[in-house]
Amino acid sequence: ELKVEQNPLFLSMQEGKNYTIYCNYSTTSDRLYWYRQDPGKSLESLFVLLSNGAVKQEGRLMASLDTKARLSTLHITAAVHDLSATYFCAHPRRPGAGSYQLTFGKGTKLSVIP
Amino acid sequence: DAMVIQNPRYQVTQFGKPVTLSCSQTLNHNVMYWYQQKSSQAPKLLFHYYDKDFNNEADTPDNFQSRRPNTSFCFLDIRSPGLGDAAMYLCATSRASGYTDTQYFGPGTRLTVL
Repeated sequence: ELKVEQNPLFLSMQEGKNYTIYCNYSTTSDRLYWYRQDPGKSLESLFVLLSNGAVKQEGRLMASLDTKARLSTLHITAAVHDLSATYFCAHPRRPGAGSYQLTFGKGTKLSVIP
Repeated sequence: DAMVIQNPRYQVTQFGKPVTLSCSQTLNHNVMYWYQQKSSQAPKLLFHYYDKDFNNEADTPDNFQSRRPNTSFCFLDIRSPGLGDAAMYLCATSRASGYTDTQYFGPGTRLTVL
């Protein structure tokens, strides 16, 4: 059974600080997805990591993928209040020529405190 | 411009009264997904369509059905909603060319069961 584990599940950090969210998964995959969800809203795609060693950056967020360790990280640099949200990693199941199914981690609820 | 549209955004129904949620997309994607997300939990895939092919998740209750009359539209039918079915229902789409692309989520329908 596929397991996708995120930690921490809750993160309270001060503005200007750095922190990393971890996503471990149990089944080999060369893909990993990160999404952001604001309270009461839908999911917004942040990153699609497509290969071992992939690193992507958008503003204060940087995501990486280590397929050998089955680990992805989401690093937050110099946090600002606008980054407060829940962040999900997601692992694709049964990759094939067509559709794929995402299994989500439980999410990390980030609160950035002024 | 909205790409994945869900209607209604909020739905209140009574225990046991059938309800239908609607999703439409302007992306012309082959694949459409339905997720259930309960409060403070990760999205959980219910089923998806790859073109006209329906794929049900093994643990999706029989109470949940889906229809896809054409490429653009997909419906989620809950035949006899219970209190435990209160949740946010998210529709998503993706291309059939593989999973190098993300899934695009609609704004969601929040279902309340009285």
